[in-house]
Amino acid sequence: QSVLTQPPSASGSPGQVVTISCSGSSSNIGSNNVNWFQQLPGTAPKLLIYSTDLRPSGVPERFSASKSGTSASLAISGLQSEDEADYYCAAWDDSLNGPVFGGGTKLTVL
Amino acid sequence: QVQLVQSGAEVKKPGASVKVSCKTSGYTFTNHDIHWVRQATGQGLEWMGWMNPKSGHTGFPQNFQGRVTITRDTSITTAFMELSSLTSEDTAVYYCARGRGYYDTVDYWGQGTRVTVSS
Repeated sequence: QSVLTQPPSASGSPGQVVTISCSGSSSNIGSNNVNWFQQLPGTAPKLLIYSTDLRPSGVPERFSASKSGTSASLAISGLQSEDEADYYCAAWDDSLNGPVFGGGTKLTVL
Repeated sequence: QVQLVQSGAEVKKPGASVKVSCKTSGYTFTNHDIHWVRQATGQGLEWMGWMNPKSGHTGFPQNFQGRVTITRDTSITTAFMELSSLTSEDTAVYYCARGRGYYDTVDYWGQGTRVTVSS
């Protein structure tokens, strides 16, 4: 089982808002930045959000993220069919002295 | 642009070792750690270890200690990951990824290398 906890699945209709949660502990999310990755089928993960709430160049503003205590969340607004993918949260873990990942959330656009 | 290009797919027998390469370009190789992450089919991401390309210092989670070796050749800006004593449970796609910095995870990823362990 993964150190960070995500729901295994999420879904929404085009145009809707979907939120994906990520729960950790004081040694990871509670004390370090959270990053989010999008993995389209058959491809490598791609950085979607870094430093908890910042978007790399090229990532649409529809993607946003936040953190509170030992939990984080990713929000996707104006849902599009191309957003159908697996989403992973990640953070450095001070106890492990390495990065830890969530188990991933499979997003389905209905 | 930053690129990490990995070596091709491998098929190995149980008990063997596999070595995967990760050729980097588009940035200063010694300024960013290299991490290795694997993903079994239909599963999540599992961190295997990291290396500081400048010093060669490495770090591994306990479940990979003694079985994973990460090295580098700075002259060709390439990192290598060798996994020994393979079992069928090591069948997965292996990724290298560039570290973002201290107490942070990764940003750019290689395309992945599929390793299949089968007798």
